[in-house]
Amino acid sequence: GAGVSQSPSNKVTEKGKDVELRCDPISGHTALYWYRQRLGQGLEFLIYFQGNSAPDKSGLPSDRFSAERTGESVSTLTIQRTQQEDSAVYLCASSLGGARVGEKLFFGSGTQLSVL
Amino acid sequence: GDSVTQMEGPVTLSEEAFLTINCTYTATGYPSLFWYVQYPGEGLQLLLKATKADDKGSNKGFEATYRKETTSFHLEKGSVQVSDSAVYFCALLGLAGGTSYGKLTFGQGTILTVHP
Repeated sequence: GAGVSQSPSNKVTEKGKDVELRCDPISGHTALYWYRQRLGQGLEFLIYFQGNSAPDKSGLPSDRFSAERTGESVSTLTIQRTQQEDSAVYLCASSLGGARVGEKLFFGSGTQLSVL
Repeated sequence: GDSVTQMEGPVTLSEEAFLTINCTYTATGYPSLFWYVQYPGEGLQLLLKATKADDKGSNKGFEATYRKETTSFHLEKGSVQVSDSAVYFCALLGLAGGTSYGKLTFGQGTILTVHP
């Protein structure tokens, strides 16, 4: 597709369940990012993939959070044993790589996660 | 580490009023600076950017000047319209030796509402 695609757009789950969020970046974009946006707050960096380099996981809030990316395509963010504080909009973005990677991010519409 | 601080919102203006949204940053090296905008029901999109000191980014009547001496990147528009109602995010991209770290740090966002 033409833009970054995220699925599902909405997810309601019960506390303690695992969830998987999917992101399809723009074709040719080697960099992929996950951010979290809690209600009334800014964007919180979670994880960053760039080509075949080791991902920057410095923003993952706990070991319940993990993410994978297959080559330069789809990424999955997994949250295990969800807690109510995990409720947020999870945003995925992609950008071209190279020395100036990140100078223009293209964002998906996000997944609204609600943990009951 | 890198950080971005934006003025607290929400900001409410009448159409044709002058807009300023303050943004200051803390970063090592010489970051690039950005404003992203999130219109209601849409994903974040890049509004403007500046990659070095004294650069002015501009788009859609909005402007922001990269002020290294005050570590600021304030967003301004001379005459706002109802269609400018959105959430505005200031962000920085860390750089070292002209090469990007790749990871954007965002401010908390400022909600702007413009009334007719």
